[in-house]
Amino acid sequence: GESVGLHLPTLSVQEGDNSIINCAYSNSASDYFIWYKQESGKGPQFIIDIRSNMDKRQGQRVTVLLNKTVKHLSLQIAATQPGDSAVYFCAERGEYPGNQFYFGTGTSLTVIP
Amino acid sequence: DGGITQSPKYLFRKEGQNVTLSCEQNLNHDAMYWYRQDPGQGLRLIYYSQIVNDFQKGDIAEGYSVSREKKESFPLTVTSAQKNPTAFYLCATSRQDFFYEQYFGPGTRLTVT
Repeated sequence: GESVGLHLPTLSVQEGDNSIINCAYSNSASDYFIWYKQESGKGPQFIIDIRSNMDKRQGQRVTVLLNKTVKHLSLQIAATQPGDSAVYFCAERGEYPGNQFYFGTGTSLTVIP
Repeated sequence: DGGITQSPKYLFRKEGQNVTLSCEQNLNHDAMYWYRQDPGQGLRLIYYSQIVNDFQKGDIAEGYSVSREKKESFPLTVTSAQKNPTAFYLCATSRQDFFYEQYFGPGTRLTVT
C-alpha cells in the first residue's frame, strides 16, 4: 500500500474537474485490489475492484488503472463533486496462504465548490 | 454500511477494564473480520473468521479475543492486556474469506483513559 506516515497526502480539486488518486503497492504477487472511500467518522465504502489479469476497470464515474510493471494503482474520478470529498485508500490482497488484505494509509481528497 | 451493525458508535472505558465491541451482519456472509484504524496508518487486521466456531489471528491479535458462535455475530473483546486500546475499530464481512470485496460497518471509536 501507500507509505505509512502521520500525515495523509492531500489532493484538492475544483468541482467538475477530474481527480486522480495514486497508490503504490508492495507485493508483485498481489492479485486483487480494491479502492475504498472513507468519510470522516464512518466505515470505508467499497468503490471498485480490479484483479491482476486486468489493466483497467470502469465503474460509474470511476476508473481504476493497474500497472503491474511498476506496482501502481490509480483511481480516476470523473467530474468530481463535493460529495466525493473523503479519504481514499487502496487495498491489496496478499499471496497464499495468508491472503489477507493490506491497506494503504490513504489520500484526503477535498473538492472545492 | 449495508447490513453491518456496530454498536456502540462511541465507547469510553477506564484502563484495566475489558470491553466488548459488537458486530452483527444480515448479509449472510461467511467471513467476518476485525480491523483497527489509527491516525495516519492503514487498517490492521486483528482477527478474522471464515466460518462459525472458527477464527484466526491477524497481525495484531495480542490483547484481543473474539468468538463466532453465530454466523451473524462476531464480537471483539479488548482486554486489559492490550497496551494501546484507544482506536477506531472496524468490522467487515465478505462472501468468502479474502477472495471477494470486504464490506465495512460504521465503526466503534473506543477511548480508554
